[in-house]
Amino acid sequence: QVQIQQWGAGLLKPSETLSLTCLVYGGSFSGYYWTWIRQPPGKEMEWIGEINHSGYTSYKVSLKSRLTISIDTSKNQLSLNLTSVTAADTAVYYCARGPSTSSYDYRGMDVWGQGTTVTVSS
Amino acid sequence: DIVMIQSPLSLPVTPGEPASISCRSSQSLLHSNGHNYLDWYLQKPGQSPQLLIYLGSHRASGVPDRFSGSGSGTDFTLRISRVQAEDVGIYYCMQAIQTPTFGGGTRVEIK
Repeated sequence: QVQIQQWGAGLLKPSETLSLTCLVYGGSFSGYYWTWIRQPPGKEMEWIGEINHSGYTSYKVSLKSRLTISIDTSKNQLSLNLTSVTAADTAVYYCARGPSTSSYDYRGMDVWGQGTTVTVSS
Repeated sequence: DIVMIQSPLSLPVTPGEPASISCRSSQSLLHSNGHNYLDWYLQKPGQSPQLLIYLGSHRASGVPDRFSGSGSGTDFTLRISRVQAEDVGIYYCMQAIQTPTFGGGTRVEIK
């Protein structure tokens, strides 16, 4: 059974870099996109970006200049880096498995990490 | 971006009774392949979201059959045939035909 464990710094100052990591165990990276989603307090969930096992990425347009999502298949890890954070980046960040890389086999985001609370405050 | 609107915002329910949640999108979610790219997720208190329904009406693995999804195009509904206490939480719809966007959520609570 695939599980995802997340970790990363929870308290940042404005202008610092947010770095989060997800460890995927019990399964393979291949066949899926791996997605980052965040949930700001009191606001809607927001898709941030995704990456597949080959390193192909897609980012939310408004974050593209600050965002890097990477993957290390040898460690079964994926990472998110968001530079120059502001209070608007305060949120619970999730990584999730899905969707499938096959356009004929869409099955949503079926495995989620436990979430990491990130607060940006001076 | 496609805007997703859910209603109601809050839904008090009686255990054993049915419940339904509506989700409307600002653009059609019906792909040329015939599938509607609409998911439903449930976030139970203190937990991460979990997938309930994908492609509008397909139950995810392990999801009880009291949950069902229907609709096409821009109007979708999640139904719970007989609500149980464990179903409380916030339900979200999400479109995946373009860059994913979520609805604002519907909080289901026991009366």
